[in-house]
Amino acid sequence: AQSVTQPDIHITVSEGASLELRCNYSYGATPYLFWYVQSPGQGLQLLLKYFSGDTLVQGIKGFEAEFKRSQSSFNLRKPSVHWSDAAEYFCAVGGVYSGGGADGLTFGKGTHLIIQP
Amino acid sequence: NAGVTQTPKFQVLKTGQSMTLQCAQDMNHEYMSWYRQDPGMGLRLIHYSVGAGITDQGEVPNGYNVSRSTTEDFPLRLLSAAPSQTSVYFCASSYSTGRPNEQFFGPGTRLTVL
Repeated sequence: AQSVTQPDIHITVSEGASLELRCNYSYGATPYLFWYVQSPGQGLQLLLKYFSGDTLVQGIKGFEAEFKRSQSSFNLRKPSVHWSDAAEYFCAVGGVYSGGGADGLTFGKGTHLIIQP
Repeated sequence: NAGVTQTPKFQVLKTGQSMTLQCAQDMNHEYMSWYRQDPGMGLRLIHYSVGAGITDQGEVPNGYNVSRSTTEDFPLRLLSAAPSQTSVYFCASSYSTGRPNEQFFGPGTRLTVL
């Protein structure tokens, strides 16, 4: 069964400092990996995704993530955080439906990012 | 395009009542899904559909029914609501191109079961 682990429930970072959010996954086949962000009371917005190719992927809002197959990780990074980055961040993994279509995503439990002024 | 829409935004039920959460998308997406979000649990997949007439169970399907009679609509039915179903429910849709793709989420329905 597929699973996603986000080891950090809460992370506090000073504004302007760098950020790394950890994500480890377990999946039996080729993983398709995603990072989503959720602001309070809002739905989820896609930050970036990895399907294949270059293992360093760029996303919106200055975020990037690196896929490391040997470590089963897909960590999210940002060189300098802004107060508006305070939100909940979810890592997700997906696969291919046995019938040939897309399977559902499995989400991690989320990391709550707090930005200190 | 309205994207993914969900109604209602808020709902309070009594134990044992039934209701349907509505979800619609106007992007002609083949794939649609329902998730529930609980504090400290992330999002968990309830049911999904890869096209009209095709549905399958996710991680937490018990207590929920779905059907997909059209490409646009994917309602979620609670036949007999229980307090354990108090949650925020998100509907999502995406292209089904043989691999998982970006899922577009609706704004959510916050359900309380008393």
